[in-house]
Amino acid sequence: EAGVTQSPTHLIKTRGQQATLRCSPISGHTSVYWYQQALGLGLQFLLWYDEGEERNRGNFPPRFSGRQFPNYSSELNVNALELEDSALYLCASSPGALAGATGELFFGEGSRLTVL
Amino acid sequence: SQQGEEDPQALSIQEGENATMNCSYKTSINNLQWYRQNSGRGLVHLILIRSNEREKHSGRLRVTLDTSKKSSSLLITASRAADTASYFCATGSGYALNFGKGTSLLVTP
Repeated sequence: EAGVTQSPTHLIKTRGQQATLRCSPISGHTSVYWYQQALGLGLQFLLWYDEGEERNRGNFPPRFSGRQFPNYSSELNVNALELEDSALYLCASSPGALAGATGELFFGEGSRLTVL
Repeated sequence: SQQGEEDPQALSIQEGENATMNCSYKTSINNLQWYRQNSGRGLVHLILIRSNEREKHSGRLRVTLDTSKKSSSLLITASRAADTASYFCATGSGYALNFGKGTSLLVTP
């Protein structure tokens, strides 16, 4: 069974540009979570989607946005990129909203975004 | 927002020794989980302990939870070089998991 897949693996952008990151959850999982892991800051919760709706959002500006598609895959968009957006962006999935809140998350390998 | 805080930030031991890392958190939790991350890759779930449990074992891992002190510890016994990784605690409160900054463990042969 395929795990959580993320694309692209690496992405290089310049300040002011937009970045789009994609995530496919494990088959049967309906919840998708996005985390940012910047150097020295640990994992910061970004967004949580379940059944196509945004369920919770971390303390990030509105230029961080996303969506979840009917097949439960998800997209994270970062507009007006800033240097400090350089980070590893991790996507995780869980079988459902309650499972994610109380159980295990399954992570992808991440997309490393570099902003020059 | 980050909920858990791991301690120490970095730990260096030799193969065969035990490694202990701690996690403190601030608010009430449903459960506490430990994850492992190898060198900037994805996180892998190690173990989950519920708020009504005090201790849990899985192979060479032992986790304890003290809800009165809002703290947890992860013990890895008989460490191996392959255990070299970053270890994160994560707390669940009903919305999403919140992670700490992690403990970086180096196990030397």
